[in-house]
Amino acid sequence: GAGVSQSPSNKVTEKGKDVELRCDPISGHTALYWYRQRLGQGLEFLIYFQGNSAPDKSGLPSDRFSAERTGESVSTLTIQRTQQEDSAVYLCASSSLSGQMNTEAFFGQGTRLTVV
Amino acid sequence: AQKITQTQPGMFVQEKEAVTLDCTYDTSDPSYGLFWYKQPSSGEMIFLIYQGSYDQQNATEGRYSLNFQKARKSANLVISASQLGDSAMYFCAMREIYNFNKFYFGSGTKLNVKP
Repeated sequence: GAGVSQSPSNKVTEKGKDVELRCDPISGHTALYWYRQRLGQGLEFLIYFQGNSAPDKSGLPSDRFSAERTGESVSTLTIQRTQQEDSAVYLCASSSLSGQMNTEAFFGQGTRLTVV
Repeated sequence: AQKITQTQPGMFVQEKEAVTLDCTYDTSDPSYGLFWYKQPSSGEMIFLIYQGSYDQQNATEGRYSLNFQKARKSANLVISASQLGDSAMYFCAMREIYNFNKFYFGSGTKLNVKP
């Protein structure tokens, strides 16, 4: 596709359930990022994938959060045993030529997660 | 310490006037890049402008310019001739040479353009 695609766009789930969020990056983009944006706040880094290298998981808030990416394709962010504090917009971004400082990240529309 | 600080949670500007959105940053890396993004109510993040730490001149992109003051560690966004469509959240972001994987974002400034 032309841009970063995320699905679902909205997800309402019950507390304690697991959810899976999907990100389809721009074709050819080797770098992929997940961010969390709570209401009215900035973007909180979660995880970064670069090609086949080990991901940078330093932003994952707890072991309930995990993410996978196969090669340079789709990524899934999984939140297990969801809690109300997980309610936020989850943004995915991809970037090409990540070795260049001026390369911007391209963002998807986000998945709005509401835990009730 | 916060990597990116945006001290203006909300701002108003009259249509056709210029407005400056503040951003200060904190890094000790010798090289870094500064970005501004716009987030309309639709939620998408739109890249606006980039400034490299070694760039000699302030970046400009159409009505957007970046007032880069390296000694003060500030990278303010200037929007000239504001339009109603400029109403949005604006985020300042940084990436550092020694922590290249991450874009650090500020908390954002909500800009409202009044007709």
